[in-house]
Amino acid sequence: GNSVTQMEGPVTLSEEAFLTINCTYTATGYPSLFWYVQYPGEGLQLLLKATKADDKGSNKGFEATYRKETTSFHLEKGSVQVSDSAVYFCALSPHYSGGGADGLTFGKGTHLIIQP
Amino acid sequence: DAMVIQNPRYQVTQFGKPVTLSCSQTLNHNVMYWYQQKSSQAPKLLFHYYDKDFNNEADTPDNFQSRRPNTSFCFLDIRSPGLGDAAMYLCATSRFRDISYEQYFGPGTRLTVT
Repeated sequence: GNSVTQMEGPVTLSEEAFLTINCTYTATGYPSLFWYVQYPGEGLQLLLKATKADDKGSNKGFEATYRKETTSFHLEKGSVQVSDSAVYFCALSPHYSGGGADGLTFGKGTHLIIQP
Repeated sequence: DAMVIQNPRYQVTQFGKPVTLSCSQTLNHNVMYWYQQKSSQAPKLLFHYYDKDFNNEADTPDNFQSRRPNTSFCFLDIRSPGLGDAAMYLCATSRFRDISYEQYFGPGTRLTVT
């Protein structure tokens, strides 16, 4: 089956520090990969995505590269801000030959805390 | 802006009293999903609709039902809420055959059971 493993937090960093949140996956074939962010009391917001190997997703200073050889999609940011404090979920969706629909498979989430 | 809307944002119900959560979308997506997210956990898929075709996850309790009267609206019915059903309920949509398989989430409804 499909699964996503990500580092569990909380991860506490100082403002302007470099961020890496590791994510690895197991899937049949080559899935689409996503990072979603969830602020307290809110729903999930798509942060970035990649649909095939070597794609780099980027948004708001965050980046992640789809690495087929290591089945990884690590999230990075060069200089974090207090406003980046949130829970980050790595997720995957298999590619269905019929263009189908199914739920996302999520990692357990990483709680990121940025201190001023 | 096209979006996924959930009402209410906060819902309090009594143990055993039926409750309905609603979701609407202006994206004209043909797939709609309901997820349950308990505190400090990842979202868990309950079921989804592809157009009018209902797809239930094998481990979704019978206590949870869903209706989709048209493309824009989808409802989650909890027939007899228990204390263990207190959670955030997330609605999401996607477009069938979308190359990225991205899902668009609403803000969620936080359900409290007293």
